[in-house]
Amino acid sequence: GAVVSQHPSRVICKSGTSVKIECRSLDFQATTMFWYRQFPKQSLMLMATSNEGSKATYEQGVEKDKFLINHASLTLSTLTVTSAHPEDSSFYICSARTRGGLVVADTQYFGPGTRLTVL
Amino acid sequence: QKEVEQDPGPLSVPEGAIVSLNCTYSNSAFQYFMWYRQYSRKGPELLMYTYSSGNKEDGRFTAQVDKSSKYISLFIRDSQPSDSATYLCAMNSNSGYALNFGKGTSLLVTP
Repeated sequence: GAVVSQHPSRVICKSGTSVKIECRSLDFQATTMFWYRQFPKQSLMLMATSNEGSKATYEQGVEKDKFLINHASLTLSTLTVTSAHPEDSSFYICSARTRGGLVVADTQYFGPGTRLTVL
Repeated sequence: QKEVEQDPGPLSVPEGAIVSLNCTYSNSAFQYFMWYRQYSRKGPELLMYTYSSGNKEDGRFTAQVDKSSKYISLFIRDSQPSDSATYLCAMNSNSGYALNFGKGTSLLVTP
């Protein structure tokens, strides 16, 4: 099936530092990747939609200057949390939309998530 | 009103029981419906994918969509302790769009 990886799986950082999270589609090309955030016992909240080669589209209330998204290729999107603060501590999950062919067409597969803890 | 409503549970059943999980939604434009399973501290795993109304079966899992009632269900037959997880329904109006998730239902299957 379609596999999406995320790196790192867990990161602990000091307040004020920046953290980069990578999302890769391993066996398919993803024209679109999505970034979600999930707080404990809550559902996934969409942060932004990332299309290869263009600027990301952010959801209302998500600061684009704080959460920098780069979708440099059809298999890689990165989320950088700049000047992280404790309230940014959360579980960040990406998903990648398949282009069809390999598995179920036009659906989304999720990465394993990255747990960010800001001290 | 949220676009997708899902009872968070928790739902506790004995091993071997039939489990019924449900979601309702308000946006009549939704036509792609998915069920994901999420274990603690892991990313969601796609279980079932359905387009428009009807039933779909895959092993012990059956997904039903009733667009007239804006109601979707996931049935798990012969439930196992390994099925214990949070089940998220998700849907969108266009396969290229981001998913609208329910809150997730926490399921516990006891031996």
